[in-house]
Amino acid sequence: AQKITQTQPGMFVQEKEAVTLDCTYDTSDQSYGLFWYKQPSSGEMIFLIYQGSYDEQNATEGRYSLNFQKARKSANLVISASQLGDSAMYFCAMREFQGAQKLVFGQGTRLTINP
Amino acid sequence: SAVISQKPSRDICQRGTSLTIQCQVDSQVTMMFWYRQQPGQSLTLIATANQGSEATYESGFVIDKFPISRPNLTFSTLTVSNMSPEDSSIYLCSVDGQGGSYEQYFGPGTRLTVT
Repeated sequence: AQKITQTQPGMFVQEKEAVTLDCTYDTSDQSYGLFWYKQPSSGEMIFLIYQGSYDEQNATEGRYSLNFQKARKSANLVISASQLGDSAMYFCAMREFQGAQKLVFGQGTRLTINP
Repeated sequence: SAVISQKPSRDICQRGTSLTIQCQVDSQVTMMFWYRQQPGQSLTLIATANQGSEATYESGFVIDKFPISRPNLTFSTLTVSNMSPEDSSIYLCSVDGQGGSYEQYFGPGTRLTVT
C-alpha cells in the first residue's frame, strides 16, 4: 500500500532564506505521481508542484522545486527566497496510476517564516 | 484548472442533525472526490463520486453516515448524517485536473463544528 511520510511537524525559517521540506514515500508501483500542496490558515488546498515517477528532470514552478530522488524514494520540496506569505501547512501527496489511483497525503509540515 | 465552489463555507450544527454540503464545478468532470480533514490532521479520502453510479467509499466510511449524490457532471453533494462532535472537520471536494493532468484541485472547504 502506498504511504507518505513527512517527518518535520514544524519548520521555522527566516524570511528570504531557502527551506527544504522533507517527504519520503513507499509504493510498489512503477508509475506514480508526487505532489505538494499548500494549506494556509483559510483552509484551502493549493496545488504547488507535480513530479511524475518517469520524469528525469526535477520539477520546478517559480520559487518551488521538487528534489526527486527515486532510489531513495524521497520528494523534498524546496522553496527559494521564502516570503512571509509562505507560512502555511504543506502536504506531500502521492498517486499511483494503476488501480484505484487515490491521492494519499502525508501528515504535513507547518512552515513559519519569521521576518 | 477548474473553479470549484462549496456551500456552506462553514456551519455550526447540533449533534444528531444532518448537514448537506454542495460542491459545484465550472466544467464537466468525470470523477469528484470528497475528503475529510479532522482538526490538526491530514486529508483522508471519504469517497469517489462518478456521475450515474454509486459512490465508492473508502475503508471506515459508510454510505449511511456519508450519503453522496452526483446528479450531473458538474455537481455533487455530501451529507454528514446524525452528527456527533467527532464529525467536526473541514470537508473538501476535489476534481482531477483538466487536459490529462494528474493533480487534483480542491474547493475552498466547508468548516463544520458539531456541538
